[in-house]
Amino acid sequence: QSVLTQPPSASGTPGQRVTISCSGSSSNIGSNYVYWYQQLPGTAPKLLIYRNNQRPSGVPDRFSGSKSGTSASLAISGLRSEDEADYYCAAWDDSLSAYVVFGGGTKLTVL
Amino acid sequence: QVQLQESGPGLVKPSQTLSLTCTVSGGSISSGSYYWSWIRQPAGKGLEWIGRIYTSGSTNYNPSLKSRVTISVDTSKNQFSLKLSSVTAADTAVYYCASTDWVTGAFDIWGQGTMVTVSS
Repeated sequence: QSVLTQPPSASGTPGQRVTISCSGSSSNIGSNYVYWYQQLPGTAPKLLIYRNNQRPSGVPDRFSGSKSGTSASLAISGLRSEDEADYYCAAWDDSLSAYVVFGGGTKLTVL
Repeated sequence: QVQLQESGPGLVKPSQTLSLTCTVSGGSISSGSYYWSWIRQPAGKGLEWIGRIYTSGSTNYNPSLKSRVTISVDTSKNQFSLKLSSVTAADTAVYYCASTDWVTGAFDIWGQGTMVTVSS
């Protein structure tokens, strides 16, 4: 049972826009930054979005992040076949001692 | 460009201690710009943060693992290490080391991961 809640799956066709949600609480998303990671099959996760909506250099602007209250979203526009991957949200949680919590991950399928 | 590489036994017996090392190359572990973290992922499941260390030696651990985890740093070898005691089959996972950028707070560089199986 993950602290952050993501839908287990999402799908879209090439060119479409898809969004992946991440729900938390006041002790994590509500008071801290949200991060998004992409994990292609058989590889280590890769940073996609940091501090809610910032893209590292090299990440296409097709990827965008947003946050409102205790929820966050990752949007992928102009969907491409290479976007098929698992996506994880993460945030610091201040409820006990400060620690990082992840969502359970969303498997994105490009139909 | 900083790179991370995990190393350690791929098989650990139940009740024993899992020990892994992450070697940092292409930069100094003492640069002061990073925290150094361990993250794990059981097969087919999600990511779990284990803990992190700063080069000063200060640490933060996941409360669910805190009683069994020790993360240490060896600046002379440009390495940091993970020890997880009293392991069970539930600790079987791919273990990643990662750098956490001081400014952004993101896990921006990851090792390739190493599979550790707990079995007799």
